[in-house]
Amino acid sequence: DIQMTQSPSTLSASVGDRVTITCRASQSISIWLAWYQQKPGKAPKLLIYKASSLESGVPSSFSGSGSGTEFTLTISSLQPDDFATYYCQHYNSYPWTFGQGTKVEIK
Amino acid sequence: EVQLVESGGGLIQPGGSLRLSCAASGFTVSSKYMSWVRQAPGKGLEWVSLIKSDGSTYYADSVKGRFTISRDNSKNTLYLQMNSLRAEDTAVYYCASPSGIYLYFDYWGQGTLVTVSS
Repeated sequence: DIQMTQSPSTLSASVGDRVTITCRASQSISIWLAWYQQKPGKAPKLLIYKASSLESGVPSSFSGSGSGTEFTLTISSLQPDDFATYYCQHYNSYPWTFGQGTKVEIK
Repeated sequence: EVQLVESGGGLIQPGGSLRLSCAASGFTVSSKYMSWVRQAPGKGLEWVSLIKSDGSTYYADSVKGRFTISRDNSKNTLYLQMNSLRAEDTAVYYCASPSGIYLYFDYWGQGTLVTVSS
C-alpha cells in the first residue's frame, strides 16, 4: 500500500502569512494527488486535484504542485477562513489513502 | 444540485451489526463511483470502501470480510452493511463520490456517527 506522510502535523501562522504544507508518497503516484480542507464538525472540501488543478470556486490563494513522491499545498496569503485541517489523498491505485493531516492554527 | 445524506448511525455493542444509508440526489448512484470514508474521533480520514459503476467493490484491509458496500438503484441509495463491529470502528462515516472516474472526492455527505461500545 502507498503511505502518505504530511508535514508538519501542526502549523502556527498569522493572517497574511504564506503557508506551505508538504505531502510525501511512499512510492511514485505521478500527479494523482488531491488536497482537502476540513473544518471542525464538517465534511472535507476538495481544494486541489491532479496535484495542481484548482477546484471550481476555491480561491486562487490556494495552489498545489509536485509530482512523483513529493507534493506541496501553498496558501499565498492566509485568511481567517483558512484556519482548518488539510489532508492530502492519493488516487494512483487501490487502496486510496489519506495523509494524517496538517492543522493550521492561529499564531 | 448533487446532495448526499447519510443515516443509520448510532450506538452499537461490540460484535453487533449496523447498516448505513446514503441517499443521493442530483445524480443516479448506479452511474457513478460511490465510496465510504470514515474519521475516528480526533483522528484523520480513512478510506473504507468503494463501489464502481460496473458494480465492482473494494475494501480497506481493516474492514474486509466484515463490511459490505451495496446500492439500491430504485431508491438511489448507497449502503454500508457493517458486521462484527469493533471499538476501533467508532467514527463518523461519510458518503463520498467523485464527479468522474478519478478517485478524488468532489461530493461529500454530512456524515453519520457510529459508536461501538458496551
